[in-house]
Amino acid sequence: NAGVMQNPRHLVRRRGQEARLRCSPMKGHSHVYWYRQLPEEGLKFMVYLQKENIIDESGMPKERFSAEFPKEGPSILRIQQVVRGDSAAYFCASSRWDSSYNEQFFGPGTRLTVL
Amino acid sequence: SQQGEEDPQALSIQEGENATMNCSYKTSINNLQWYRQNSGRGLVHLILIRSNEREKHSGRLRVTLDTSKKSSSLLITASRAADTASYFCAATGNQFYFGTGTSLTVIP
Repeated sequence: NAGVMQNPRHLVRRRGQEARLRCSPMKGHSHVYWYRQLPEEGLKFMVYLQKENIIDESGMPKERFSAEFPKEGPSILRIQQVVRGDSAAYFCASSRWDSSYNEQFFGPGTRLTVL
Repeated sequence: SQQGEEDPQALSIQEGENATMNCSYKTSINNLQWYRQNSGRGLVHLILIRSNEREKHSGRLRVTLDTSKKSSSLLITASRAADTASYFCAATGNQFYFGTGTSLTVIP
């Protein structure tokens, strides 16, 4: 059973470009979470999605960031018009059920560098 | 601010010694989880303790939870160089909050 997959592992963008980060949850998991980790800092929750639904996006910046988890295919975190401050590691996690009661399984992360 | 806050921020010990990390949180939780992150890698789930549990063991790991003080501790016994990593606590209630982590260095 493959773990959580994220791609790309490394992404370099110039200021103003768009960044698309993909996350494929573990088989059988229908809950996906995105986190951002700035250099030398802990993880910060961004958004929690179930298939075709955004459950909690309280950690998402109000502008330029969006996330989706379609019925088919991976979850996508999209960052439009990237700025240098968006440079960070973005981790995706999945769980079988509501993670309030169960552990999340993390992907290896995507390291975004904005030039 | 973050729900989970670890203490200390950095810890350096000799191989074979025990390492204790603490975590405090702010509101009611369903459970508290500890994760490890090796440098430049993703997170690995270590152990989950539910709000009605006080202590839990898994191999060389021992976790305690004091809901009256809203705190938890992670003890790693007989540490090894391979335990060198950052350790995060995650307070899980209506949402999922990570602390800023404790950076543990085990010197061979």
